[in-house]
Amino acid sequence: NAGVTQTPKFRILKIGQSMTLQCTQDMNHNYMYWYRQDPGMGLKLIYYSVGAGITDKGEVPNGYNVSRSTTEDFPLRLELAAPSQTSVYFCASSSKLPDSLGNEQFFGPGTRLTVL
Amino acid sequence: GQQVMQIPQYQHVQEGEDFTTYCNSSTTLSNIQWYKQRPGGHPVFLIQLVKSGEVKKQKRLTFQFGEAKKNSSLHITATQTTDVGTYFCAGSGGAQKLVFGQGTRLTINP
Repeated sequence: NAGVTQTPKFRILKIGQSMTLQCTQDMNHNYMYWYRQDPGMGLKLIYYSVGAGITDKGEVPNGYNVSRSTTEDFPLRLELAAPSQTSVYFCASSSKLPDSLGNEQFFGPGTRLTVL
Repeated sequence: GQQVMQIPQYQHVQEGEDFTTYCNSSTTLSNIQWYKQRPGGHPVFLIQLVKSGEVKKQKRLTFQFGEAKKNSSLHITATQTTDVGTYFCAGSGGAQKLVFGQGTRLTINP
């Protein structure tokens, strides 16, 4: 199993450009998450999904959109990129809800995004 | 909303010294998880604690969950250079998401 994969690994955007960060998992997990990590900081939840067709906002959703058309894929869309969106983006998945026993989250390798 | 605070933010030790990081939640947690992130890497799950007062050990790492289920700690005995990284706690208060602490970055002088 590849686990959670993310593309691209690195990207530089100009202000106002758009892009989609791809995330795919092959573990048949229902729950998927997008986090951003600013330098020296913790992880902040952007959006999450509890299954195909269902998404919900996290702590910092402004400027982002997501979709979940399949169990495997959970792309994150940035519209009108801004310097404040410079960060490392991690996708994660889990087989259970966070308040369940054994709800370990598996993280992808991350996408380093710079907006200039 | 739920907040999870972690201290210290940074810790530098000599190899062989012990290390402890503390995690405090503003609300009672159903469980707490600990993750490790190596420099330039992604978070990797270490352990989950569920019961009040629970203590779990993984070799030189000892994890505790407070009696009130609002705080937790990670203690590393006799640090080694392989322990370098940032340690995060993450709490679940019954919602569909985890709230991560800011992390404690551990550096070690060999």
